[in-house]
Amino acid sequence: EAQVTQNPRYLITVTGKKLTVTCSQNMNHEYMSWYRQDPGLGLRQIYYSMNVEATDKGDVPEGYKVSRKEKRNFPLILESPSPNQTSLYFCASRPTGLETQYFGPGTRLLVL
Amino acid sequence: EDQVTQSPEALRLQEGESSSLNCSYTVSGLRGLFWYRQDPGKGPEFLFTLYSAGEEKEKERLKATLTKKESFLHITAPKPEDSATYLCAVSGGYNKLIFGAGTRLAVHP
Repeated sequence: EAQVTQNPRYLITVTGKKLTVTCSQNMNHEYMSWYRQDPGLGLRQIYYSMNVEATDKGDVPEGYKVSRKEKRNFPLILESPSPNQTSLYFCASRPTGLETQYFGPGTRLLVL
Repeated sequence: EDQVTQSPEALRLQEGESSSLNCSYTVSGLRGLFWYRQDPGKGPEFLFTLYSAGEEKEKERLKATLTKKESFLHITAPKPEDSATYLCAVSGGYNKLIFGAGTRLAVHP
């Protein structure tokens, strides 16, 4: 089944404790991205990747890092999480161009 | 600056009561407008892509239309299972989508 998977789905952590949210897709898509979703603000892009070893900042990149060493994986790293990073995070992928973007199931993060 | 505004924020309908959701946008050089459906606790699910003014697309009880300034998602004779948040997004460039905040639709029997 074609899908985007994320882990973990739920995470509670404390300020400053480094964490990684994994994202994997099995559709051989070149393009992957990370979004955060907050009430009243909609989905905002954090980082995106056009292909392996090619990443760039989205609209809200501060406090986040990403890497793309393999085509299928695009982990999101929070080196020193803060409470304002409490949010619902989505990974997404698509082929190049304007084709349909597929979203993962989401990761709900709470930073205390 | 590229921007997407959806209205209303929330909409409550009786089963069978048709209505429309609005997505107003400003973007330099529209490459595509996208509608997604999002159920609670789940990722957005793709519905439609519209590329140029005058284009229309349909899927079951949903019909999306596009003008140069806005898009409408028309819901005909909705059912309770149509309850969800509907998201609109535009692409003015190759690399990213700009999303609206969404419209929460509740359809009651």
